[in-house]
Amino acid sequence: GAGVSQSPSNKVTEKGKDVELRCDPISGHTALYWYRQSLGQGLEFLIYFQGNSAPDKSGLPSDRFSAERTGGSVSTLTIQRTQQEDSAVYLCASSSEPGVEETQYFGPGTRLLVL
Amino acid sequence: AQSVTQPDIHITVSEGASLELRCNYSYGATPYLFWYVQSPGQGLQLLLKYFSGDTLVQGIKGFEAEFKRSQSSFNLRKPSVHWSDAAEYFCAVDTGRRALTFGSGTRLQVQP
Repeated sequence: GAGVSQSPSNKVTEKGKDVELRCDPISGHTALYWYRQSLGQGLEFLIYFQGNSAPDKSGLPSDRFSAERTGGSVSTLTIQRTQQEDSAVYLCASSSEPGVEETQYFGPGTRLLVL
Repeated sequence: AQSVTQPDIHITVSEGASLELRCNYSYGATPYLFWYVQSPGQGLQLLLKYFSGDTLVQGIKGFEAEFKRSQSSFNLRKPSVHWSDAAEYFCAVDTGRRALTFGSGTRLQVQP
């Protein structure tokens, strides 16, 4: 595709519910990242996928957060038992050349509001 | 651990005036450096990047940035600001651990 796409654009949920956020990277990009942008914490790294390697989950804030990437393309970020502090914009990025001189391209984000 | 500082939270300039947004990083070696821009309700758009070589890099929309190793800085500049440049600007570094580390952002307001 022309760029990274994310869905939904906005999601409102009730505390305690599970949510799934989707990211479709640029075609041919092998690396995929999730970041969270919140008022209090700024932009934070969550998780990184590269090809068939085990993901780098070092940024996930709790075990309620998980992500998968199917077929090396689309990724889903799942938040279980959502809390109000999970309210944020979740950004996905992809890159074609992981490692040296890597450039990440970002999607428009999913704005999550937990009531 | 690496960190990125954008000391100016909010800057207001008049349309047509010059602009400089500051960015300092803390890291033992020279990281890869980026500037991104985010318009309201939008994702991050890459303005420019520095990997190596010429320390003055040109980007899109008339922006440029200069890497100064001695000051650990990567300041963003534009000679004449347009109203459409109003947005939030983020400096980011890549120290080789894949994840980008971002500054807290500078919100630019442009007065007519």
